[in-house]
Amino acid sequence: AQSVAQPEDQVNVAEGNPLTVKCTYSVSGNPYLFWYVQYPNRGLQFLLKYITGDNLVKGSYGFEAEFNKSQTSFHLKKPSALVSDSALYFCAVRDGPGNTPLVFGKGTRLSVIA
Amino acid sequence: KAGVTQTPRYLIKTRGQQVTLSCSPISGHRSVSWYQQTPGQGLQFLFEYFSETQRNKGNFPGRFSGRQFSNSRSEMNVSTLELGDSALYLCASSQPESVYGYTFGSGTRLTVV
Repeated sequence: AQSVAQPEDQVNVAEGNPLTVKCTYSVSGNPYLFWYVQYPNRGLQFLLKYITGDNLVKGSYGFEAEFNKSQTSFHLKKPSALVSDSALYFCAVRDGPGNTPLVFGKGTRLSVIA
Repeated sequence: KAGVTQTPRYLIKTRGQQVTLSCSPISGHRSVSWYQQTPGQGLQFLFEYFSETQRNKGNFPGRFSGRQFSNSRSEMNVSTLELGDSALYLCASSQPESVYGYTFGSGTRLTVV
C-alpha cells in the first residue's frame, strides 16, 4: 500500500529566505505525486504534480518540487518565501494512474515571518 | 466553471444522532472521494465513488457510509455520532484515472457535542 511521510509538523522561515517542505513516499509501482496547500477554513488547493518527465516540477505561486527516485522524496521548494505563503501544506501520492485513492501525508504547517 | 460544492458548511450535532453531508462535483467529473481531516491525523481517506459504485473504501467503521447518484452528486452519512467524529469532511472530484489529481470543496465542519 502507498504511504506518505512529512517529517516536519512545522517549518518556520523568514520572509525572503528559501523554503523547503519535505516529503517522502512509498509505492509499489510508479508514483504520481502531488502537493496541495490549505488556507484556514478552506479546502485543499492544487499546487503542482509529478507524473513523469523532468524531475524538477514547477507549479503555482512560484513553488517547485524535485522528484528524487533513489531517495523516494518529493520536497517542495520556493526560492524566496512570502508571508502570504503561510499555510498548511500536504504531500500526496497515488500508485500509478489506476483507481487507487490519493493518499496524503499529515501536513506541514509553514509559517513565514516578516 | 463551478467548483466542488459541499453543503452545509457547518454542522453541530449531538452524540448518537446521524448526519448527512452533500457534495456536488465539478461538471463532467464522475469520481467523488471523501476525506476526514483532523488536526492529529491529517487527511484520512473514507471512500471513493465512481458511476454510482463504491470503488475504494478506507479504514472507517460501518457507521460511515456514502452513495453517489446518477448525476455524480454524492452524499455521506454518519450514524450514531461520537465525539471523535468531529472533523472537517472534505469532498474531492476528479476524472477517472486522471493525472490531474483532485479538486477539493471547502469542506463541511462537523462538531459533535
